[in-house]
Amino acid sequence: GQQLNQSPQSMFIQEGEDVSMNCTSSSIFNTWLWYKQDPGEGPVLLIALYKAGELTSNGRLTAQFGITRKDSFLNISASIPSDVGIYFCAGLMGNAGNNRKLIWGLGTSLAVNP
Amino acid sequence: NAGVTQTPKFQVLKTGQSMTLQCAQDMNHNSMYWYRQDPGMGLRLIYYSASEGTTDKGEVPNGYNVSRLNKREFSLRLESAAPSQTSVYFCASTPRGLAGAEFFGPGTRLTVL
Repeated sequence: GQQLNQSPQSMFIQEGEDVSMNCTSSSIFNTWLWYKQDPGEGPVLLIALYKAGELTSNGRLTAQFGITRKDSFLNISASIPSDVGIYFCAGLMGNAGNNRKLIWGLGTSLAVNP
Repeated sequence: NAGVTQTPKFQVLKTGQSMTLQCAQDMNHNSMYWYRQDPGMGLRLIYYSASEGTTDKGEVPNGYNVSRLNKREFSLRLESAAPSQTSVYFCASTPRGLAGAEFFGPGTRLTVL
């Protein structure tokens, strides 16, 4: 089946550093999404990207929808301790309803040393 | 708004027991989903309901059944629990027109002995 390759698997950084993670696939997606999961909680949507080449920011987070529609990256600037968690990418094929298929990456685990 | 709520938060079952995981959302969302999350496996879709009255299988439906009781509620049933169903179960919902933008509940941590 379709897969998303998310990297890196884990990161351990110093507070204040910038972070970059990405997802790639051999498949084309209509939408890319980035989620964050805190320990013991469900994932929370951070950024949704709907158009190839789109660059979107949400505070210190910036994500881009790759021009080939097969990849996306997420950057976090000036990391802080509350950035700790697991970051998931997800790519959407098809539309809402029965044609919809959301493919998930396996996550990037981020640890921040204060 | 409470968003997506799930009950129970924790559950321990013995092999062969049955149980129903409850999920409700108060955001008037059309689509609802059940996922399981296992270490190293990411999120895997069990069943989904694109709208009230419809349900469809996801990636890993075996051993589960679902009921979309009304627009708000979507339950997941394990008829005869197995140790392989030990996992964290998440319910999620999506508003019309924002496919992929899923709102998740806090999860149910299930252990099958």
